[in-house]
Parts: sequence; C-alpha cells; structure tokens
Amino acid sequence: DTAVSQTPKYLVTQMGNDKSIKCEQNLGHDTMYWYKQDSKKFLKIMFSYNNKELIINETVPNRFSPKSPDKAHLNLHINSLELGDSAVYFCASSPGDPDQPQHFGDGTRLSIL
Amino acid sequence: LAKTTQPISMDSYEGQEVNITCSHNNIATNDYITWYQQFPSQGPRFIIQGYKTKVTNEVASLFIPADRKSSTLSLPRVSLSDTAVYYCLVGAILRSGGFKTIFGAGTRLFVKA
Repeated sequence: DTAVSQTPKYLVTQMGNDKSIKCEQNLGHDTMYWYKQDSKKFLKIMFSYNNKELIINETVPNRFSPKSPDKAHLNLHINSLELGDSAVYFCASSPGDPDQPQHFGDGTRLSIL
Repeated sequence: LAKTTQPISMDSYEGQEVNITCSHNNIATNDYITWYQQFPSQGPRFIIQGYKTKVTNEVASLFIPADRKSSTLSLPRVSLSDTAVYYCLVGAILRSGGFKTIFGAGTRLFVKA
C-alpha cells in the first residue's frame, strides 16, 4: 500500500504545453506539499495545503497552480511549460505538526524538450 | 526561517560509524530538527527527528547541543546500502497553522567496501 503516490512517474513534453501531476495520500494527513528538486538536488518547497486550504505559496510563477479537491489529493497543474521547469517534483504529506515527519512520494521527473 | 549548512559529501567504509553535522545558527525556539535520507529516483525518507539533547532510534542517533545551533546525525556501522543523500531539515510552525520546512543542500554519503 503506497502511502503517497504520484502520477505520472515520468513526463516528457514540449515547451508551451500544459500538464498536470497528480498526488494522493492514504495516510489521513491534514497537510500536503509540493516540492521541486532541481539538477543540483536542492529541494525547494512550492506549495502547502492544510485541509484543502492553501497555506504556503512560495515564489512560484503563476503558471503553477495547485488544486486540492479533497484532503487526500493535491494536484499540480502547470501552464505554458518552459525549459527551466525541467526537474523532479515531489509530493509529500504530514499530519501538520512540526514534530511529525513528512512522507514523500517517489517523484515525477518532468523533462521539457 | 533557519538556514542549514552541511558538508557536500563524505566517504566512509563499511562497518564504520558516520557522523554528519548540520549547522543551523538561526534556529528558532519552535523549530524541530529532522533528518531525511534520499536514494536515487526515490523521495526523501524520514530517519530521525529531535528538539534538544539526544534522540536514538533503530537506525540512527541525533545529537543536539544545548544552544541547538547545530546537530549531528550518527549512523552506526554503515553498510553499502547507506550510500545516499542525507538532508538536514529545520521546520517552523507558521501563524496560519501550517508547517514550513527548509531543506539543506544535502550530504552525499558514499560507503565503500
């Protein structure tokens, strides 16, 4: 039983396209996150939702729009993809308390041609 | 939010104890210190978390001095499968109730036979 699952695992597309990455967690957690890991392996938080409400929105281009239809899902939609969007995107979830660790999915590798 | 600094890479041999130190000089009162392990093509995996003094679990120990401006992850008797990137993470509670985390650059541990 996968705790945090992301689809697709790989996504190859052309510049200018619109794409979505889905994330689901079956841990009953209140908080979900999206991270971006670039080629230098830096993990940077992009968004965080707590009970379907956006609570963290880092300096991310407006082309990125998270959507949380319910507490168990946090999808990431990206418009007008650019070369610099190539990275691995990780979804994570946590109970929301600082003493509770985050659980990560295995990532979606996005490659822009 | 506290920024973390850790060595870029470390080498070790099987059976040795490995200590990885992370600096977080600006850590706040509410911040917890968490360490994650990441293998290639996988999401980060929780190892250990602490607030102060020493924490030990079945895979590692975490040493935090009284001033909490640094922490040391100790891996006893490493094996080849411990070759991975280790991230030091400092988290804070936001006023909105959410939890924002800052990942360090990670330490690449390479265990040799």
